[in-house]
Amino acid sequence: DAGVTQSPTHLIKTRGQQVTLRCSPKSGHDTVSWYQQALGQGPQFIFQYYEEEERQRGNFPDRFSGHQFPNYSSELNVNALWLGDSALYLCASSGDRGPYGYTFGSGTRLTVV
Amino acid sequence: GESVGLHLPTLSVQEGDNSIINCAYSNSASDYFIWYKQESGKGPQFIIDIRSNMDKRQGQRVTVLLNKTVKHLSLQIAATQPGDSAVYFCAENRGADGLTFGKGTHLIIQP
Repeated sequence: DAGVTQSPTHLIKTRGQQVTLRCSPKSGHDTVSWYQQALGQGPQFIFQYYEEEERQRGNFPDRFSGHQFPNYSSELNVNALWLGDSALYLCASSGDRGPYGYTFGSGTRLTVV
Repeated sequence: GESVGLHLPTLSVQEGDNSIINCAYSNSASDYFIWYKQESGKGPQFIIDIRSNMDKRQGQRVTVLLNKTVKHLSLQIAATQPGDSAVYFCAENRGADGLTFGKGTHLIIQP
């Protein structure tokens, strides 16, 4: 049974560019949450998607947006990248809207130069 | 501001000894707490969780203790093994904004 899969694993972008990260949830899960983890820090909540809508949002600017598809997979989009967006982006899926039973993917390492 | 924090950034223990990792939280409304293990290059891996109506919960080689009076959470790992080397995070659920993670404790196992 596949867990949470994220793509790509690594990515290098230039300041001002836009990036799209992808996540496929664990089989049977319908809720996807995204987290940003800066080097040496704990993950920070970006937002959560359920039934193709953003349900919760952390303290992140509108440059961060997302989407959830009917098959429950999700995308995270970041516009106008700046150096401070360099981080590990983690996707977590669960079977309900809460954090219970969260399964994390291995993340996408984004480097902005 | 409110945040989940850890007392020690690095903990070094001898193989076979017990490890205790501590965590302080500040939001008394948090109702659910989780410990995660994160190895290099991987995402956080669930270890054990506890709800606020409990004081203690045990798993395989791990125990989580919750002291709501002083807002303190701890993770005890029995008979620490080399494979336990990782960064450990506590996280709290405050309801509407996902999980709030602490900065992490790096557990180092000495042979």
